[in-house]
Amino acid sequence: GENVEQHPSTLSVQEGDSAVIKCTYSDSASNYFPWYKQELGKRPQLIIDIRSNVGEKKDQRIAVTLNKTAKHFSLHITETQPEDSAVYFCAAYDFNKFYFGSGTKLNVKP
Amino acid sequence: EAGVAQSPRYKIIEKRQSVAFWCNPISGHATLYWYQQILGQGPKLLIQFQNNGVVDDSQLPKDRFSAERLKGVDSTLKIQPAKLEDSAVYLCASSDRQGSSYEQYFGPGTRLTVT
Repeated sequence: GENVEQHPSTLSVQEGDSAVIKCTYSDSASNYFPWYKQELGKRPQLIIDIRSNVGEKKDQRIAVTLNKTAKHFSLHITETQPEDSAVYFCAAYDFNKFYFGSGTKLNVKP
Repeated sequence: EAGVAQSPRYKIIEKRQSVAFWCNPISGHATLYWYQQILGQGPKLLIQFQNNGVVDDSQLPKDRFSAERLKGVDSTLKIQPAKLEDSAVYLCASSDRQGSSYEQYFGPGTRLTVT
Protein backbone atom coordinates (compact mmCIF):
# COMPACT_ATOMS: atom_id res chain seq x y z
CA GLY A 1 0.00 0.00 0.00
CA GLU A 2 0.86 3.69 -0.12
CA ASN A 3 3.21 5.23 2.44
CA VAL A 4 3.11 8.97 3.14
CA GLU A 5 5.82 10.68 5.11
CA GLN A 6 5.48 14.25 6.36
CA HIS A 7 8.11 16.71 7.61
CA PRO A 8 8.68 18.53 9.83
CA SER A 9 6.62 17.28 12.75
CA THR A 10 6.67 20.74 14.33
CA LEU A 11 7.27 24.14 12.78
CA SER A 12 7.49 27.47 14.53
CA VAL A 13 7.52 30.71 12.52
CA GLN A 14 7.17 34.39 13.22
CA GLU A 15 3.97 36.08 12.10
CA GLY A 16 4.37 37.30 8.52
CA ASP A 17 6.97 34.68 7.61
CA SER A 18 6.36 31.79 5.22
CA ALA A 19 5.88 28.17 6.23
CA VAL A 20 6.60 25.10 4.11
CA ILE A 21 5.53 21.53 4.91
CA LYS A 22 6.69 18.62 2.77
CA CYS A 23 5.29 15.18 2.10
CA THR A 24 6.59 12.24 0.12
CA TYR A 25 4.61 9.28 -1.16
CA SER A 26 5.62 5.88 -2.44
CA ASP A 27 3.03 4.77 -4.99
CA SER A 28 3.16 6.47 -8.38
CA ALA A 29 -0.51 5.49 -8.91
CA SER A 30 -1.65 8.06 -6.32
CA ASN A 31 -3.52 10.75 -8.19
CA TYR A 32 -5.00 13.18 -5.68
CA PHE A 33 -3.25 15.01 -2.83
CA PRO A 34 -5.30 16.98 -0.30
CA TRP A 35 -4.09 19.05 2.63
CA TYR A 36 -6.11 19.33 5.83
CA LYS A 37 -5.97 21.78 8.71
CA GLN A 38 -7.02 20.51 12.11
CA GLU A 39 -7.42 22.90 15.01
CA LEU A 40 -7.35 21.54 18.53
CA GLY A 41 -10.42 19.45 19.25
CA LYS A 42 -11.94 20.06 15.81
CA ARG A 43 -12.41 18.06 12.64
CA PRO A 44 -9.87 18.07 9.80
CA GLN A 45 -10.86 20.57 7.14
CA LEU A 46 -9.69 20.58 3.56
CA ILE A 47 -7.71 23.71 2.77
CA ILE A 48 -6.29 22.92 -0.65
CA ASP A 49 -5.82 19.94 -2.94
CA ILE A 50 -4.04 19.05 -6.15
CA ARG A 51 -4.46 16.38 -8.77
CA SER A 52 -1.62 14.47 -10.37
CA ASN A 53 -2.02 16.23 -13.71
CA VAL A 54 -1.28 19.65 -12.17
CA GLY A 55 2.07 20.92 -10.89
CA GLU A 56 0.96 23.82 -8.75
CA LYS A 57 -2.21 25.30 -7.31
CA LYS A 58 -2.67 28.50 -5.36
CA ASP A 59 -5.49 29.89 -3.23
CA GLN A 60 -4.74 33.29 -1.71
CA ARG A 61 -1.99 32.74 0.89
CA ILE A 62 -1.71 29.00 0.46
CA ALA A 63 -0.25 27.00 -2.41
CA VAL A 64 0.56 23.38 -3.10
CA THR A 65 3.24 22.08 -5.44
CA LEU A 66 3.55 18.54 -6.77
CA ASN A 67 6.61 16.83 -8.22
CA LYS A 68 5.41 13.51 -9.64
CA THR A 69 8.86 12.39 -10.69
CA ALA A 70 10.26 12.79 -7.20
CA LYS A 71 6.95 11.75 -5.57
CA HIS A 72 6.72 14.68 -3.25
CA PHE A 73 4.32 17.54 -2.67
CA SER A 74 4.51 20.60 -0.47
CA LEU A 75 2.23 23.07 1.25
CA HIS A 76 3.31 26.71 1.23
CA ILE A 77 1.72 29.31 3.49
CA THR A 78 2.80 32.91 2.97
CA GLU A 79 2.31 35.88 5.31
CA THR A 80 1.44 33.57 8.18
CA GLN A 81 -1.01 34.74 10.81
CA PRO A 82 -1.62 33.48 14.37
CA GLU A 83 -4.88 31.87 13.21
CA ASP A 84 -2.83 29.63 10.92
CA SER A 85 -1.59 27.83 14.05
CA ALA A 86 -2.92 24.25 13.85
CA VAL A 87 -1.91 20.73 12.84
CA TYR A 88 -1.66 20.20 9.10
CA PHE A 89 -2.02 16.78 7.46
CA CYS A 90 -1.17 15.78 3.93
CA ALA A 91 -2.76 12.78 2.27
CA ALA A 92 -2.45 10.75 -0.90
CA TYR A 93 -5.37 9.08 -2.64
CA ASP A 94 -4.58 5.69 -4.11
CA PHE A 95 -7.06 3.04 -5.28
CA ASN A 96 -10.05 4.50 -3.45
CA LYS A 97 -8.18 5.00 -0.18
CA PHE A 98 -6.69 8.01 1.56
CA TYR A 99 -3.32 7.63 3.25
CA PHE A 100 -2.42 10.36 5.72
CA GLY A 101 0.88 11.80 6.84
CA SER A 102 1.66 12.01 10.53
CA GLY A 103 0.95 15.73 10.76
CA THR A 104 2.86 18.98 11.27
CA LYS A 105 2.11 21.20 14.22
CA LEU A 106 2.49 24.78 13.02
CA ASN A 107 2.92 27.52 15.61
CA VAL A 108 2.79 31.12 14.37
CA LYS A 109 4.22 33.47 16.95
CA PRO A 110 2.74 36.98 17.05
CA GLU B 1 -25.61 21.57 2.95
CA ALA B 2 -25.63 19.81 6.33
CA GLY B 3 -22.32 18.27 7.36
CA VAL B 4 -21.39 14.83 8.60
CA ALA B 5 -22.96 14.16 11.98
CA GLN B 6 -21.51 11.93 14.67
CA SER B 7 -22.59 10.92 18.13
CA PRO B 8 -21.73 10.77 20.90
CA ARG B 9 -19.03 13.45 20.93
CA TYR B 10 -17.33 12.03 24.00
CA LYS B 11 -17.38 8.64 25.68
CA ILE B 12 -15.54 7.28 28.67
CA ILE B 13 -15.67 3.54 29.35
CA GLU B 14 -13.73 0.97 31.27
CA LYS B 15 -11.64 -1.64 29.50
CA ARG B 16 -13.56 -4.74 28.44
CA GLN B 17 -16.78 -2.73 28.10
CA SER B 18 -18.56 -2.19 24.80
CA VAL B 19 -19.20 1.04 22.94
CA ALA B 20 -20.92 2.10 19.74
CA PHE B 21 -20.53 5.19 17.59
CA TRP B 22 -22.97 6.53 15.07
CA CYS B 23 -22.40 8.47 11.86
CA ASN B 24 -24.81 10.17 9.48
CA PRO B 25 -23.01 11.20 6.27
CA ILE B 26 -23.88 14.06 3.99
CA SER B 27 -27.05 13.29 2.10
CA GLY B 28 -26.35 11.51 -1.17
CA HIS B 29 -22.74 10.61 -0.38
CA ALA B 30 -22.16 7.01 -1.37
CA THR B 31 -18.76 6.55 0.24
CA LEU B 32 -18.34 6.50 4.01
CA TYR B 33 -15.09 6.15 5.94
CA TRP B 34 -14.32 5.41 9.58
CA TYR B 35 -10.91 6.57 10.80
CA GLN B 36 -9.08 6.16 14.08
CA GLN B 37 -6.95 9.13 15.11
CA ILE B 38 -4.62 8.53 18.04
CA LEU B 39 -3.33 11.67 19.72
CA GLY B 40 -0.43 13.15 17.75
CA GLN B 41 -0.98 11.00 14.68
CA GLY B 42 -2.77 11.25 11.38
CA PRO B 43 -6.09 9.51 10.78
CA LYS B 44 -5.85 5.80 10.06
CA LEU B 45 -8.54 4.19 7.93
CA LEU B 46 -10.47 1.44 9.71
CA ILE B 47 -13.19 0.69 7.18
CA GLN B 48 -14.62 2.14 3.98
CA PHE B 49 -18.12 1.59 2.63
CA GLN B 50 -19.46 2.20 -0.83
CA ASN B 51 -23.23 2.41 -0.36
CA ASN B 52 -23.89 -0.54 1.99
CA GLY B 53 -20.96 -2.67 0.83
CA VAL B 54 -17.51 -2.85 2.40
CA VAL B 55 -14.74 -1.65 0.09
CA ASP B 56 -11.83 -2.01 2.50
CA ASP B 57 -11.60 -3.24 6.07
CA SER B 58 -8.03 -4.48 5.99
CA GLN B 59 -7.00 -2.39 9.02
CA LEU B 60 -10.08 -3.09 11.13
CA PRO B 61 -9.27 -5.28 14.17
CA LYS B 62 -12.08 -7.67 13.45
CA ASP B 63 -11.75 -9.58 16.69
CA ARG B 64 -13.13 -6.55 18.53
CA PHE B 65 -14.31 -3.98 16.01
CA SER B 66 -17.35 -4.24 13.78
CA ALA B 67 -19.13 -1.79 11.53
CA GLU B 68 -22.22 -1.74 9.43
CA ARG B 69 -23.98 0.58 7.06
CA LEU B 70 -27.47 -0.74 6.66
CA LYS B 71 -29.47 0.83 3.81
CA GLY B 72 -26.35 2.62 2.62
CA VAL B 73 -26.89 5.73 4.73
CA ASP B 74 -26.12 5.81 8.49
CA SER B 75 -23.31 3.75 9.89
CA THR B 76 -22.36 2.38 13.29
CA LEU B 77 -18.95 1.35 14.55
CA LYS B 78 -18.76 -0.94 17.56
CA ILE B 79 -15.93 -1.97 19.83
CA GLN B 80 -16.40 -5.06 21.98
CA PRO B 81 -14.50 -5.47 24.27
CA ALA B 82 -12.54 -2.21 24.45
CA LYS B 83 -8.84 -2.07 25.29
CA LEU B 84 -6.80 0.81 26.68
CA GLU B 85 -5.10 1.29 23.30
CA ASP B 86 -8.48 2.01 21.69
CA SER B 87 -8.43 5.46 23.30
CA ALA B 88 -8.57 7.80 20.31
CA VAL B 89 -10.81 10.06 18.28
CA TYR B 90 -13.01 8.16 15.84
CA LEU B 91 -13.69 10.20 12.76
CA CYS B 92 -16.35 9.53 10.20
CA ALA B 93 -16.05 11.03 6.73
CA SER B 94 -18.07 10.85 3.55
CA SER B 95 -17.50 11.64 -0.07
CA ASP B 96 -19.60 11.89 -3.18
CA ARG B 97 -17.23 10.56 -5.81
CA GLN B 98 -19.53 11.85 -8.50
CA GLY B 99 -17.67 12.81 -11.59
CA SER B 100 -14.15 13.88 -10.74
CA SER B 101 -14.72 14.87 -7.09
CA TYR B 102 -12.53 13.12 -4.54
CA GLU B 103 -13.12 15.48 -1.63
CA GLN B 104 -14.06 13.90 1.67
CA TYR B 105 -15.85 15.71 4.47
CA PHE B 106 -15.17 14.87 8.10
CA GLY B 107 -17.54 14.75 11.02
CA PRO B 108 -16.64 16.27 14.41
CA GLY B 109 -15.42 12.93 15.74
CA THR B 110 -16.07 10.91 18.88
CA ARG B 111 -13.39 11.10 21.54
CA LEU B 112 -13.15 7.73 23.29
CA THR B 113 -11.30 7.31 26.55
CA VAL B 114 -10.81 3.76 27.82
CA THR B 115 -9.78 3.54 31.49
